[in-house]
Amino acid sequence: DAGVIQSPRHEVTEMGQEVTLRCKPISGHNSLFWYRQTMMRGLELLIYFNNNVPIDDSGMPEDRFSAKMPNASFSTLKIQPSEPRDSAVYFCASSDPGAQAYEQYFGPGTRLTVT
Amino acid sequence: AQSVTQLGSHVSVSEGALVLLRCNYSSSVPPYLFWYVQYPNQGLQLLLKYTTGATLVKGINGFEAEFKKSETSFHLTKPSAHMSDAAEYFCAVRGSGGSNYKLTFGKGTLLTVNP
Repeated sequence: DAGVIQSPRHEVTEMGQEVTLRCKPISGHNSLFWYRQTMMRGLELLIYFNNNVPIDDSGMPEDRFSAKMPNASFSTLKIQPSEPRDSAVYFCASSDPGAQAYEQYFGPGTRLTVT
Repeated sequence: AQSVTQLGSHVSVSEGALVLLRCNYSSSVPPYLFWYVQYPNQGLQLLLKYTTGATLVKGINGFEAEFKKSETSFHLTKPSAHMSDAAEYFCAVRGSGGSNYKLTFGKGTLLTVNP
């Protein structure tokens, strides 16, 4: 089985540019999560979708961040405009809410550098 | 609210020695607990999980963890460390009630294995 797929794996952009990160969850998983990982703050949950609907976006830092899930097999996280403090590794994870433990499976991440 | 404390941000062992990574949790309900491993430049990989039942849980790569309710602990062990075990390890507890989709992660423990 293919795991969670993320693209690109690395992104370098200049301050002010728009950045779009992409995620394909595991087939059959109805829950999707976006996380950000930094040395200072560790792993932070940005947003949680269930059945393509955003349920909890309380972790989205500010209006510059937006996320969409147009269908069950694709999600995007967009930053516009990007700032140097957005530099981090962004992970997508998916889960089957029917599973007893509701464990999450993570993608390989996108390392974003904003100069 | 759930919380996780990982004692020791960095643990160093010799190859062949016992690995012990400590995790204590706080939860208002019977917890679902997880250990994840993150190899350099990769996403988080599920090592093992505790749901209900047997308190000693076996995972991948020879790791196991024991749930001790009286000590609110879920320590991760491996009898004999291998060089390939060098990675960062995260303990996590699942949320409860309306937040049962959330994983609260510890800050991580970096395991170094010396030859």
